[in-house]
Amino acid sequence: EAGVAQSPRYKIIEKRQSVAFWCNPISGHATLYWYQQILGQGPKLLIQFQNNGVVDDSQLPKDRFSAERLKGVDSTLKIQPAKLEDSAVYLCASSHGLIYEQYFGPGTRLTVT
Amino acid sequence: AQSVTQLGSHVSVSEGALVLLRCNYSSSVPPYLFWYVQYPNQGLQLLLKYTTGATLVKGINGFEAEFKKSETSFHLTKPSAHMSDAAEYFCAVEGAGNMLTFGGGTRLMVKP
Repeated sequence: EAGVAQSPRYKIIEKRQSVAFWCNPISGHATLYWYQQILGQGPKLLIQFQNNGVVDDSQLPKDRFSAERLKGVDSTLKIQPAKLEDSAVYLCASSHGLIYEQYFGPGTRLTVT
Repeated sequence: AQSVTQLGSHVSVSEGALVLLRCNYSSSVPPYLFWYVQYPNQGLQLLLKYTTGATLVKGINGFEAEFKKSETSFHLTKPSAHMSDAAEYFCAVEGAGNMLTFGGGTRLMVKP
């Protein structure tokens, strides 16, 4: 079974630029999560989707971050405009449903200069 | 609201020595608790989880953890460390809707 795929693996941008990350969950997984992991900290949940609907986005900075999961499969996370403090690893995870184990992708390391 | 505290951001042990990584949690409901491991440039991998039932949980790679409700703890142990155990370890508690709250992580270093 293929794991959670994320791209790109690394991205370097200047502040005030825009960036987008892509996630392809494990086939058949209804629930998808985006986490932000700042260096030296544990992952923090940004947004959770159930199929193509948002379950929780209470920790998503909506003035600059947006996410979508069209058709309930792939998902994109966008930052516009980026700030220096957005430098982090962005992890995508998926699960069969709301009570099942989460499987994590390798992450996208974002550096904002 | 849930929170997780991992005591010691860095732990160093000798190969063959006992590994003990500490985790304390707060939760307003009976907790589901998890330990994840993260190797460099990789995502998180589930080591073990406690949901209900037996309080001593065995996981992969020889790790185990014991849920102690009276101490609100879920410490991770392994009797004998291997070099391959060097990684970052995260404790997490599950809240409503399968949402995980992670601790700050503990980096385990294994000396030859």
